[in-house]
Amino acid sequence: DSGVTQTPKHLITATGQRVTLRCSPRSGDLSVYWYQQSLDQGLQFLIQYYNGEERAKGNILERFSAQQFPDLHSELNLSSLELGDSALYFCASSVGSRDGYTFGSGTRLTVV
Amino acid sequence: ELKVEQNPLFLSMQEGKNYTIYCNYSTTSDRLYWYRQDPGKSLESLFVLLSNGAVKQEGRLMASLDTKARLSTLHITAAVHDLSATYFCASEPGAGNMLTFGGGTRLMVKP
Repeated sequence: DSGVTQTPKHLITATGQRVTLRCSPRSGDLSVYWYQQSLDQGLQFLIQYYNGEERAKGNILERFSAQQFPDLHSELNLSSLELGDSALYFCASSVGSRDGYTFGSGTRLTVV
Repeated sequence: ELKVEQNPLFLSMQEGKNYTIYCNYSTTSDRLYWYRQDPGKSLESLFVLLSNGAVKQEGRLMASLDTKARLSTLHITAAVHDLSATYFCASEPGAGNMLTFGGGTRLMVKP
């Protein structure tokens, strides 16, 4: 157990739907990062939050959004889902921007 | 735009053999990470390389960093079946904080 908790582990949903992925960072970690892993795109950075504030954005689609709550857990919202959104979504956390990263076990999203 | 390239993408080797995975990155990097991923599983941190000339070893794996050449290597010594996995390098270019990953090297070690 890495200390970073992601739920759910698996999610199957239909095209056009909306889902929410949840991440609880390791105790004491202020930063949360979201990554998408797909067969064709590899591992891609989506977005980072630090202590509740958005810090950096990567290749995140407009249909996707995220937030970090006062208790530091984060949610990634994916809407108007398409087949191509099927992927493994990882959350990672760190104490600060330069202290290494701990990854959660991921949420496998399948869009049918 | 930072690009990170790994080679080879796939590596099949016999137990007991040595081999090296290469990781090239395109711009100045603060740190270089190596991760291991088993199928369908999370990313396990192997090494964090902080400066030019850094070398770290853990068991049969040794990682090094040459910032002038923008190259990191992961050397496998006397491979065993348990090392079969996908290995990723990732560059952290600086205060931007996010990781840019290479495409991964899928390693299969045959008994």
